[in-house]
Amino acid sequence: EAQVTQNPRYLITVTGKKLTVTCSQNMNHEYMSWYRQDPGLGLRQIYYSMNVEVTDKGDVPEGYKVSRKEKRNFPLILESPSPNQTSLYFCASSPSVGSGYTFGSGTRLTVV
Amino acid sequence: GQNIDQPTEMTATEGAIVQINCTYQTSGFNGLFWYQQHAGEAPTFLSYNVLDGLEEKGRFSSFLSRSKGYSYLLLKELQMKDSASYLCAVMDQAGTALIFGKGTTLSVSS
Repeated sequence: EAQVTQNPRYLITVTGKKLTVTCSQNMNHEYMSWYRQDPGLGLRQIYYSMNVEVTDKGDVPEGYKVSRKEKRNFPLILESPSPNQTSLYFCASSPSVGSGYTFGSGTRLTVV
Repeated sequence: GQNIDQPTEMTATEGAIVQINCTYQTSGFNGLFWYQQHAGEAPTFLSYNVLDGLEEKGRFSSFLSRSKGYSYLLLKELQMKDSASYLCAVMDQAGTALIFGKGTTLSVSS
């Protein structure tokens, strides 16, 4: 089944403890992206990648890192999480730049 | 700047027709998307318009007017399962980002 898989689905962590949210797609998509969704603010792009080893910042990249060492994987790294990073995170992929996205199931992160 | 406006909430009854409007002002345009999102779940693709006019897909239709910066999503024969948030999104000129509106929460009652 064609899908974007995120793990974990739920995570509660403490301020400053490094964490990684994984994202993997099995559709051989070139383009991948991370969004966060907050009440009243909608979906905002954090980082995107147009292909292996090609990443760039979105609208809200502060406090996040990404890597794209293989085409299928696009992990989101929070080196030192803070409470304002409590949010619902979505990974998305598309076959090419400008195409519609397929979203992962989301990761609900709480930083206390 | 980028601005996408859509109503925050709408209500309708089963079997009815509802139109969700979206206006956008963006620095570039490379297509407009509509997504459906049930609470706590992933957005799922509904429609895509890049040229002016109406695109019909079953009970759902989407319209685009690029000169007016305007789109709408039309939902016919509403069902309870259509209760969800509907997201209007514009693809930026470079094609590297979908810019989302804040979403319209639709409640369908019997």
